[in-house]
Amino acid sequence: NAGVMQNPRHLVRRRGQEARLRCSPMKGHSHVYWYRQLPEEGLKFMVYLQKENIIDESGMPKERFSAEFPKEGPSILRIQQVVRGDSAAYFCASSSTISGGYTFGSGTRLTVV
Amino acid sequence: QQQVKQSPQSLIVQKGGISIINCAYENTAFDYFPWYQQFPGKGPALLIAIRPDVSEKKEGRFTISFNKSAKQFSLHIMDSQPGDSATYFCAASMGQGGSEKLVFGKGTKLTVNP
Repeated sequence: NAGVMQNPRHLVRRRGQEARLRCSPMKGHSHVYWYRQLPEEGLKFMVYLQKENIIDESGMPKERFSAEFPKEGPSILRIQQVVRGDSAAYFCASSSTISGGYTFGSGTRLTVV
Repeated sequence: QQQVKQSPQSLIVQKGGISIINCAYENTAFDYFPWYQQFPGKGPALLIAIRPDVSEKKEGRFTISFNKSAKQFSLHIMDSQPGDSATYFCAASMGQGGSEKLVFGKGTKLTVNP
């Protein structure tokens, strides 16, 4: 049973480009969470999704950021028109309603140049 | 109210010593307090967690102490080993952490010298 799979591991984008980060939850997990980690900082909650539904997006910036978790396929965190301040590690986590608890992926390190 | 304050920011301990990391919170609605361990280039991994109905939980060399009245909790690592060198994060949520967002402290970078 593979863990939470995130890809790519590293992503370099020029200012103004789009970044698409993918997350495949653990098998049997129906809840997906995205967190952002700035250097020397803790993780900050961005969004919580279940299949085809956004449950809590209170941590998402109002502009340029969007997330989805379609019926089929991985969850996608999309950042449009990236700026240098978007450079961070983005972590996805998944959980099931049965077991509870989070399992984090290894993250995507986004660098905006 | 949603903050979790963690200290110290960094900690150096000799092998065999005790590492102690402290966290404080404001929101009394928090009822789940996990600790995560993160190695460079990796995602955080759940180490140990506690609910406020107990004052202490021990798993191997790792112990959480919880003081509900003071709204503080701490992680103790007994017989610290070089392999424990990592960044440790405390967190809190208003659920079991299975369907609620986690509020994280800023982390403590632990270095255990051989």
